[in-house]
Amino acid sequence: NAGVTQTPKFRVLKTGQSMTLLCAQDMNHEYMYWYRQDPGMGLRLIHYSVGEGTTAKGEVPDGYNVSRLKKQNFLLGLESAAPSQTSVYFCASSPRGGVGQPQHFGDGTRLSIL
Amino acid sequence: GESVGLHLPTLSVQEGDNSIINCAYSNSASDYFIWYKQESGKGPQFIIDIRSNMDKRQGQRVTVLLNKTVKHLSLQIAATQPGDSAVYFCAENGASGGSNYKLTFGKGTLLTVNP
Repeated sequence: NAGVTQTPKFRVLKTGQSMTLLCAQDMNHEYMYWYRQDPGMGLRLIHYSVGEGTTAKGEVPDGYNVSRLKKQNFLLGLESAAPSQTSVYFCASSPRGGVGQPQHFGDGTRLSIL
Repeated sequence: GESVGLHLPTLSVQEGDNSIINCAYSNSASDYFIWYKQESGKGPQFIIDIRSNMDKRQGQRVTVLLNKTVKHLSLQIAATQPGDSAVYFCAENGASGGSNYKLTFGKGTLLTVNP
């Protein structure tokens, strides 16, 4: 049982380049989330989705776009990478939202922008 | 202990001892709380959760206590093992109307278990 799988695990980009981070879950969860984790700060929500075909902005959405074309996949795109986007990115999913619906996380993508 | 919003505290214990990790939260409307464990280079791993209508919940070697009066949450780990060394953080769901699936995460407590 793979759970939440993120690819790639590591990536180095140059400023201005674009890329897409992939997240796949095999638990048939409705809700999916993208977070970033920076030293000394808690996880911050970038974008989330409450179902296939839907997306919404989180706490820090600027510079990122997302798509949820299939229920099991949630893609995070960086349109024009900036050094401030150097971070560890985590994808999570939950059956639904709210009480009793814990989020389950992947192992992250470590992204460096030079 | 940690608070949703403070610097990363540390806790060092001897193998076999019990560990207590604390978390303060600020939103009195929060109705769901989760503890996560994060090992180096890994993603957060769900440990245990508790609803606001409970004040205690037990799992395997772990117990979560919730004190809504003082808005305090704690995670107790019995017979701590070297494999328990990790960052532990709490999360609350805030329960703000229809957005109660959004979690607010603490910055975490680093637990180090000495053999």
